[in-house]
Amino acid sequence: EMQLLGSGGGLVLPGGSLRLSCAASGFTFANHAMNWVRQTPEKGLEWVAAIGDAGISTYYADSVKGRFTISRDNSRNTLYLQMSSLRPEDTAIYYCTKVLASSSWDQHFDFWGQGTLVTVSS
Amino acid sequence: EIVLTQSPSTLSLSPGERATLSCRASQSVDRYLAWYQQKPGQAPRLLIYDGTNRATGIPARFSGSGSGTDFTLTISSLEPEDFAVYYCQQRSIWPPLTFGGGTKVEIK
Repeated sequence: EMQLLGSGGGLVLPGGSLRLSCAASGFTFANHAMNWVRQTPEKGLEWVAAIGDAGISTYYADSVKGRFTISRDNSRNTLYLQMSSLRPEDTAIYYCTKVLASSSWDQHFDFWGQGTLVTVSS
Repeated sequence: EIVLTQSPSTLSLSPGERATLSCRASQSVDRYLAWYQQKPGQAPRLLIYDGTNRATGIPARFSGSGSGTDFTLTISSLEPEDFAVYYCQQRSIWPPLTFGGGTKVEIK
């Protein structure tokens, strides 16, 4: 059974840092590009970042570029999102997502993690 | 950035009725559009990808059509479990990937 188990969320002060993790199982993690998508009631679903299957290519939304870093450890089947210089507008549920096709940048997401809540507030 | 506009924002229907949801792109996305369903407290679930392809395990009552800038998700006969929020998403021109604002299908 496929699973994406997110962790690492919580309450952080503005300007602070947080690292999210997403542990994958039930599929060949190293064969799939992965993404982070966040959701708020105000802005809906917002794509945050993407990383290729080998971890070499990365892409970011303008809103997080220079502050967030996506990475992966294929030996541990784990995806990461390092978030720094956090702002109140980064408050959201963060989902890790799996790209449908292997060895591909066909960016439709056939599996989503359960979501982890990040709250940026003083 | 490609903007996706979904309409209507809310659709009030009864079980057994047909639901027709629209997603319009600000420029052509070819066929590279997906539809997701989200229920309260859950992550989105992929229904349709590349415009017309049903994802694994998705019932045949869900169908997608369209290309270019105009797309439609049709639920042929609403089941009680279909009342949810539906989102479209394009992968044609990115970054950034973009999502529509959602259509809520509610029980009339």
